Amino acid sequence: ILNVEQSPQSLHVQEGDSTNFTCSFPSSNFYALHWYRWETAKSPEALFVMTLNGDEKKKGRISATLNTKEGYSYLYIKGSQPEDSATYLCAFEDDYKLSFGAGTTVTVRA
Amino acid sequence: DGGITQSPKYLFRKEGQNVTLSCEQNLNHDAMYWYRQDPGQGLRLIYYSQIVNDFQKGDIAEGYSVSREKKESFPLTVTSAQKNPTAFYLCASRSWDRGEQYFGPGTRLTVT
Repeated sequence: ILNVEQSPQSLHVQEGDSTNFTCSFPSSNFYALHWYRWETAKSPEALFVMTLNGDEKKKGRISATLNTKEGYSYLYIKGSQPEDSATYLCAFEDDYKLSFGAGTTVTVRA
Repeated sequence: DGGITQSPKYLFRKEGQNVTLSCEQNLNHDAMYWYRQDPGQGLRLIYYSQIVNDFQKGDIAEGYSVSREKKESFPLTVTSAQKNPTAFYLCASRSWDRGEQYFGPGTRLTVT
């Protein structure tokens, strides 16, 4: 079982503020790093699949960076809105399987 | 509308009974996956299948069984050998070219 860690476990953000959080993963045998957003009462939904060291992806106000040599990825939310409240999961892909972190739960306060 | 369906949403069983959770997809995806979520933990892989009539054990396969007789369907049976079956179960799929996984709405199983 691969060790994928996310920190912090939870965070509270004021509406309009920006925030970021971390996913760390094994730096060997890297194929891809996935980010998913999981809103309450919904299914997890893919945000990004990142495969290249130094890759940076963006979707609206959310962006992610990847460092495969040191084994970490950051997810950034710019100008947080209440609809950004969710649990954000990262997953390390190896041999067609995903190993998930426990998630970072973001609560945006109006 | 393409997607993944899981049924039922909530399932209650007595200890010692086997129970089968349904997962169906109409995305024409080759690969399908079963995960389990427990409070405070990440999704853990139970079984996965990359093609019809073939499947592999994930990290926590003990006490579970699966079949993949059709591309669209990947049912999971929770057997009486599973020591802690109460959990939230998610099914997912993706196309053979890898990339993102698509998830169903999940089934919450309670065994008493």
